[in-house]
Amino acid sequence: EAQVTQNPRYLITVTGKKLTVTCSQNMNHEYMSWYRQDPGLGLRQIYYSMNVEVTDKGDVPEGYKVSRKEKRNFPLILESPSPNQTSLYFCASSSPTGTGQGETQYFGPGTRLLVL
Amino acid sequence: ILNVEQSPQSLHVQEGDSTNFTCSFPSSNFYALHWYRWETAKSPEALFVMTLNGDEKKKGRISATLNTKEGYSYLYIKGSQPEDSATYLCAFANTGTASKLTFGTGTRLQVTL
Repeated sequence: EAQVTQNPRYLITVTGKKLTVTCSQNMNHEYMSWYRQDPGLGLRQIYYSMNVEVTDKGDVPEGYKVSRKEKRNFPLILESPSPNQTSLYFCASSSPTGTGQGETQYFGPGTRLLVL
Repeated sequence: ILNVEQSPQSLHVQEGDSTNFTCSFPSSNFYALHWYRWETAKSPEALFVMTLNGDEKKKGRISATLNTKEGYSYLYIKGSQPEDSATYLCAFANTGTASKLTFGTGTRLQVTL
């Protein structure tokens, strides 16, 4: 089954304790992204990657790191989490169509993070 | 940061009503406009990806139109059903950054019996 998986789904942590949220897709997609969703603000892109070893900042990258060592995986790293990073996080992947038809993004199930 | 706006923010309709909502986006450097349906406790699911001015797409009772010159898209739901209750998100991609989507805040639709 084609899917994007994220782990963990729920996480409670404390300020300053490094954490990693994993994201994996089995569709051989080139593009992967991380978003955070906060009430009243919609989905905001944190980082995106257009291929292995190619990453770029989205709209809200501060406090986050990513890596893309393999095509299928795109982990999100919070080196020193703070309470303002409490949010719902989504990973997504897509593939360039080459037809000018746009690229549908496939979303993971989400990770709800609470930083105390 | 690009500005993508959706209206209304929320909407209550009765079963059987038809409804529509709007997504406004920058009209310059247009690449694609996406519509997603997001049910509570689930992940957003793609409805449409639209790229051509004047495009009209349809999936069952849901359809969407696109005007890239004036920067808006409409989503229509005909004969709303309770299972249509969800948040409908639009997302804009401009040329050169096709993998980078800017989302609107969504229209939350509730359909009651």
